Amino acid sequence: EAGVAQSPRYKIIEKRQSVAFWCNPISGHATLYWYQQILGQGPKLLIQFQNNGVVDDSQLPKDRFSAERLKGVDSTLKIQPAKLEDSAVYLCASSLSTQGNYEQYFGPGTRLTVT
Amino acid sequence: AQSVTQPDIHITVSEGASLELRCNYSYGATPYLFWYVQSPGQGLQLLLKYFSGDTLVQGIKGFEAEFKRSQSSFNLRKPSVHWSDAAEYFCAVGPSGGYNKLIFGAGTRLAVHP
Repeated sequence: EAGVAQSPRYKIIEKRQSVAFWCNPISGHATLYWYQQILGQGPKLLIQFQNNGVVDDSQLPKDRFSAERLKGVDSTLKIQPAKLEDSAVYLCASSLSTQGNYEQYFGPGTRLTVT
Repeated sequence: AQSVTQPDIHITVSEGASLELRCNYSYGATPYLFWYVQSPGQGLQLLLKYFSGDTLVQGIKGFEAEFKRSQSSFNLRKPSVHWSDAAEYFCAVGPSGGYNKLIFGAGTRLAVHP
């Protein structure tokens, strides 16, 4: 079974530029999560999708971050414009469903450096 | 509010020694508890999880964890550490908000001396 795929693996941009990350979850997984992991901290949930609908985006900085999951499969997370404090690893995860606490499977992450 | 505390930022053990990583949580109801491991450049891998029942949970790679409700703890243990266990370990609690949302601790970085 293929795991969660993410690209790119690394990205370096200057502040005020825009960037986009892509995630392809495990086939058949209805729920997709985007986490932000700042160096020295645990992952923090940014947004959670159930199929192509948002079920939790309470910690997403909506003035600069946006995410979509078209057709309930792949997802894109965008930052525009980026700030220095956005430097982090962005992890995508997927699970079978939001109910029943199904295990979340994580991708390798995208390491973003904002200079 | 739900929270997870991992008191040890760094731990160093010798190969073959026993290991215990501490995790304390704050949660208003019966929690679901998880331990994840993250190797450099990799995503998080689930080691084990506790939902209910037996408070001693067995996981992959020889790890186990014990849920102690009275102490609000879920410590991770391994009787004999291997060099390949060097990684960062995260404790997590959920669900938060009813949507399978996990709250993660800050992590414990484990170094293994030969």
